[in-house]
Amino acid sequence: DAGVTQSPTHLIKTRGQQVTLRCSPKSGHDTVSWYQQALGQGPQFIFQYYEEEERQRGNFPDRFSGHQFPNYSSELNVNALLLGDSALYLCASSSTGTGYDEQYFGPGTRLTVT
Amino acid sequence: QKEVEQNSGPLSVPEGAIASLNCTYSDRGSQSFFWYRQYSGKSPELIMSIYSNGDKEDGRFTAQLNKASQYVSLLIRDSQPSDSATYLCAVNGPGKLIFGQGTELSVKP
Repeated sequence: DAGVTQSPTHLIKTRGQQVTLRCSPKSGHDTVSWYQQALGQGPQFIFQYYEEEERQRGNFPDRFSGHQFPNYSSELNVNALLLGDSALYLCASSSTGTGYDEQYFGPGTRLTVT
Repeated sequence: QKEVEQNSGPLSVPEGAIASLNCTYSDRGSQSFFWYRQYSGKSPELIMSIYSNGDKEDGRFTAQLNKASQYVSLLIRDSQPSDSATYLCAVNGPGKLIFGQGTELSVKP
């Protein structure tokens, strides 16, 4: 049973560039959430996708956008990168049908903005 | 006041001892509570979930929930050096999880 997968593992970008991160949820899961984790901090919620729509959004600017595909995989796009966007980006999947909120994380993408 | 608060540590315990990790939360409407373990450079791993007041045991781990006091704890019995990691407390919000900043645990041989 494949767990949550993310790509790429590491990424180095320059200020002002755009980046796309990808996530495939755990088998049987239909909901994908994205989090940003700065060094020494807990993950911060960016947004959640279910049925190809953004269901909930955290306190992040519009530079952060996403998409969910019919196969439940998801992308996170960040435009006009800032140095402060350097962080570990985590994708978590869950199943809405269970009624519980258990979320399982992928290995993350380490983004460095120079 | 932060929505989910944890002592950042580090918490240092000798091998074989009980490690006690604590978490408080501000939203009385929260219904689901989770503990994640995160090794350095890795992603968080779900180790315990608890939904009702009281204790929930899974192997060497016991989660305790007191909704009246808005308090969640994690006990690790017979701590091992391999338990050395950051432990994140998470509480459900509308469509999301709200995390504390994590408590760093160090188990000394």
